[in-house]
Amino acid sequence: SQKIEQNSEALNIQEGKTATLTCNYTNYSPAYLQWYRQDPGRGPVFLLLIRENEKEKRKERLKVTFDTTLKQSLFHITASQPADSATYLCANSSGGSYIPTFGRGTSLIVHP
Amino acid sequence: DVKVTQSSRYLVKRTGEKVFLECVQDMDHENMFWYRQDPGLGLRLIYFSYDVKMKEKGDIPEGYSVSREKKERFSLILESASTNQTSMYLCASSQPGTGPHEQYFGPGTRLTVT
Repeated sequence: SQKIEQNSEALNIQEGKTATLTCNYTNYSPAYLQWYRQDPGRGPVFLLLIRENEKEKRKERLKVTFDTTLKQSLFHITASQPADSATYLCANSSGGSYIPTFGRGTSLIVHP
Repeated sequence: DVKVTQSSRYLVKRTGEKVFLECVQDMDHENMFWYRQDPGLGLRLIYFSYDVKMKEKGDIPEGYSVSREKKERFSLILESASTNQTSMYLCASSQPGTGPHEQYFGPGTRLTVT
């Protein structure tokens, strides 16, 4: 079955730097990869989606890449701010399924 | 604006009690989901529903049941609560179609079973 792997260790960075989070998947290439943000004690909030035929997607300070050769998606936050501190979840879904498989998330901590 | 609400933010129940968690969405979505989230385990799908009165088991349905009598409402039932069901419960909805389906989550219910 498909597995989604995210780094379980928290990522600590300095304000203003670019944060890069990694999502690796096994087996087949998913049709879509989604990224969500989750604040403590809250439900995840959808951020971005990238299709398998897209290499890159941007939204304001956010950028997602999708490398089917490496079986990996990278999530970048440029000019990071302390308010970006949260857990970021990656989720995949294949073309025929509306049920995504979620990774366990990576915690991002941006220090002022 | 899209909205998914859950009946309680915090709930404390005793072992053996019957527990109802309710979820309501106002987006006219056809798909609704119940997850539980535990530290180190991530989001795990309990049940989902793709239409009124329809339900499908997710990855961890044991000890749970669901009910969907109206399109906007999806209830999770713990028939006899146990301490290992202490968790954060998250409801989500999405709209099916030919494209991808981002999920909209509720704020979560933190359930403690003592």
